[in-house]
Amino acid sequence: GNSVTQMEGPVTLSEEAFLTINCTYTATGYPSLFWYVQYPGEGLQLLLKATKADDKGSNKGFEATYRKETTSFHLEKGSVQVSDSAVYFCALSPDSSASKIIFGSGTRLSIRP
Amino acid sequence: EPEVTQTPSHQVTQMGQEVILRCVPISNHLYFYWYRQILGQKVEFLVSFYNNEISEKSEIFDDQFSVERPDGSNFTLKIRSTKLEDSAMYFCASTVTLNQPQHFGDGTRLSIL
Repeated sequence: GNSVTQMEGPVTLSEEAFLTINCTYTATGYPSLFWYVQYPGEGLQLLLKATKADDKGSNKGFEATYRKETTSFHLEKGSVQVSDSAVYFCALSPDSSASKIIFGSGTRLSIRP
Repeated sequence: EPEVTQTPSHQVTQMGQEVILRCVPISNHLYFYWYRQILGQKVEFLVSFYNNEISEKSEIFDDQFSVERPDGSNFTLKIRSTKLEDSAMYFCASTVTLNQPQHFGDGTRLSIL
């Protein structure tokens, strides 16, 4: 089946620290991979995506590379800010004809000033 | 930037009552979705809708649930006889085609008493 596993939170870092949130997936086809972010009191926003192996998605200083050999899509940022505090969801869409998105359980990130 | 809008932001309903959650997808989008997030748990797919019919639904989406696109702009989720376990955040999403990311609304928090 299709599933997403991401590191449990909460993760607390100091401002300007390096961030990694691990995500691995299981999929039967050729999925597209996403990171969504949920800021306090808001809905889900697409942060970045990758649609095929070795693609790198990037946005707002965040990056994630689609690694088929390790079935991973880890989220990284070189220097986090207080405004990055949010819940981050790794997700996949099983293939281009699939309707649904399958989400990981979310990782809460808190950045200390 | 166009947004998916959901109303109300918070709905409180007595157990056994019917509730309708409303969504206005982005105007040129063709595929519509409902997801839910029980407090502290994963975001779960409920149903997808295209061309005025359900294209996929999860096992959560039982006979108590229905969706409708009553006019050219609204997309609704109805729960006929609410249960305590229906308490959750419900997210509407839309996309223009299947291989594009889904855009999410801010959600409706449904509280069943």
